[in-house]
Amino acid sequence: QSVLTQPPSTSGTPGQRVTISCSGSSSNIEKNYVSWYQQLPGTAPKVLIYRNNQRPSGVPDRISGSKSGTSASLAISGLRSEDEADYYCAAWDDSLSGNVIFGGGTKLTVL
Amino acid sequence: QVQLQESGPGLVKPSETLSLTCSVSGYSISSGYYWGWIRQPPGKGLEWIGTIYHSGSTYYNPSLKSRVTISVDTSKNQFSLRVTSVTAADTAVYYCARQQGWLVRDWYFDFWGRGSLVTVSS
Repeated sequence: QSVLTQPPSTSGTPGQRVTISCSGSSSNIEKNYVSWYQQLPGTAPKVLIYRNNQRPSGVPDRISGSKSGTSASLAISGLRSEDEADYYCAAWDDSLSGNVIFGGGTKLTVL
Repeated sequence: QVQLQESGPGLVKPSETLSLTCSVSGYSISSGYYWGWIRQPPGKGLEWIGTIYHSGSTYYNPSLKSRVTISVDTSKNQFSLRVTSVTAADTAVYYCARQQGWLVRDWYFDFWGRGSLVTVSS
């Protein structure tokens, strides 16, 4: 069981806005930066968001990230069929000796 | 453009040692950055294995620390992973990646290899 909790699945129709939540605790999300990754089927993950809300060059501005307290969210607006993928949040966790932790992943289906 | 490529045996016997190498092109490891290994069991989520700095400093997942060693060879522009005493639970796609961020709280993975499937089976 992941320390960062994500819904297993979500869905939306083309053009819609969807959000994916990532729930953590005071030892990870609250104190540290959150990053988000998209994994298309059969491919390596790709970073979408770093430092809670920063987009790497090439990631469209219809994708955004936010953080409040011990939770973070990824929002995708203007949903497209090519957004159908698995999404993972990640953060450093300060407990024990420290650890990079990932959420369990959310499967986004575009209906 | 930074590119990473994993290489190593695709099949390892139980109780033996898994060894993978990540070859980096488009950037010199000795110039900086952190370099990490992440794995993904079939049909499951991502798990961080560990990270090495170009100087050789290492950080490991506490749950794997007793079995994992990550090393760097700057002369070959490569870094490597060893996992000892493997079991079927170590069957996964293993990714190498470059890490951005000076502090651990700031880390994220910006460039990834394509991944290498390692199956543990007799």
